[in-house]
Amino acid sequence: ETGVTQTPRHLVMGMTNKKSLKCEQHLGHNAMYWYKQSAKKPLELMFVYSLEERVENNSVPSRFSPECPNSSHLFLHLHTLQPEDSALYLCASSQGVGGVDEQYFGPGTRLTVT
Amino acid sequence: GQNIDQPTEMTATEGAIVQINCTYQTSGFNGLFWYQQHAGEAPTFLSYNVLDGLEEKGRFSSFLSRSKGYSYLLLKELQMKDSASYLCAVKDSNYQLIWGAGTKLIIKP
Repeated sequence: ETGVTQTPRHLVMGMTNKKSLKCEQHLGHNAMYWYKQSAKKPLELMFVYSLEERVENNSVPSRFSPECPNSSHLFLHLHTLQPEDSALYLCASSQGVGGVDEQYFGPGTRLTVT
Repeated sequence: GQNIDQPTEMTATEGAIVQINCTYQTSGFNGLFWYQQHAGEAPTFLSYNVLDGLEEKGRFSSFLSRSKGYSYLLLKELQMKDSASYLCAVKDSNYQLIWGAGTKLIIKP
């Protein structure tokens, strides 16, 4: 247990569905992240929130919409996804965004888009 | 562009020593991280290097040479539970983590 939880762990959705991924951290951290992990590819940073404000958005398609209502919770809202969006979506948190701040990851949501 | 290179897969024998290399080219440098990821699980933090030299933590050690853009993770007295992927990541000038694709380490009895 890393102190970061994600729900659901597995999700299958059609291209016309709308769903949300949830992340919660119990570490008192100030920064939270969404990553996409595809097989044999590097982790792709999607969004970064620091003190509930978005500080990074790495050219992610608008069909992915993040929400950070407070420093402990992070959501990723999904709509009209494509089959190539199938991947493992990882949430992480860190104390800050500085050099030494290591990130703690949740177990991920395995997303399949049909 | 920014790039992190590490071998795709390595095989080693239980009880032996293995070295996993990582080379990087990034815009700026604010530290290098190694993470371990077992299949189907979250990545977990192993080590952080920001100055040149060797950091030792039990059976695991990590080395950094900033002038060469090079790091390695050394695993000693390998155990079957060390079978996992090992991810190298560098924080660039914007403090954004740039990740390698990971090295899958297979341990054989």
